Amino acid sequence: GNSVTQMEGPVTLSEEAFLTINCTYTATGYPSLFWYVQYPGEGLQLLLKATKADDKGSNKGFEATYRKETTSFHLEKGSVQVSDSAVYFCALRSMNRDDKIIFGKGTRLHILP
Amino acid sequence: DAGIIQSPKHEVTEMGQTVTLRCEPIFGHNFLFWYRDTFVQGLELLSYFRSRSIIDNAGMPTERFSAERPDGSFSTLKIQPAEQGDSAVYVCASRSTPSGELFFGEGSRLTVL
Repeated sequence: GNSVTQMEGPVTLSEEAFLTINCTYTATGYPSLFWYVQYPGEGLQLLLKATKADDKGSNKGFEATYRKETTSFHLEKGSVQVSDSAVYFCALRSMNRDDKIIFGKGTRLHILP
Repeated sequence: DAGIIQSPKHEVTEMGQTVTLRCEPIFGHNFLFWYRDTFVQGLELLSYFRSRSIIDNAGMPTERFSAERPDGSFSTLKIQPAEQGDSAVYVCASRSTPSGELFFGEGSRLTVL
């Protein structure tokens, strides 16, 4: 079945550091890939997405490229801020009839000032 | 435009009691999802609805869990009887179309003593 594996947290970085959160997936066909973010005290919200191979999703300085050859969708940001502290979830949606969204376990990110 | 409304925000109960969680999706959203967020497993899909019909119930952990959406609008998730291992945050999500953006509620935090 479809699944998403992302690096375990927590990840702790200093402000302005480079961030990578790894995400790999297993799916049949050509899924759409997503990163969701949950800031403290808030619900999940979509951060970025990519719907086909080699697409790059970007938002708020974050980027992720859909790599079909490595079945990966790693999240990156060149210079993190304290306000980026949150839990990040990698997710996929299959293009089958059921079009469920499957999430990774989440990676908690702490940014120190 | 109101977001997803989940109630209660927090519930503390004892083993053996019945728990009922409620989700009011965004108006007009036909698709409604229940997720469970635990530290160990992350976000797990429990069930999801298209209108009033359950499309997939396979994620429900045991028969103690049941979900309904009687008129295609709000939904309830019932746990009967509750056990300590059910302690988690239960998150409701909805979207308007199969490929539309998924919106999330802030979750209901359940603690079973």
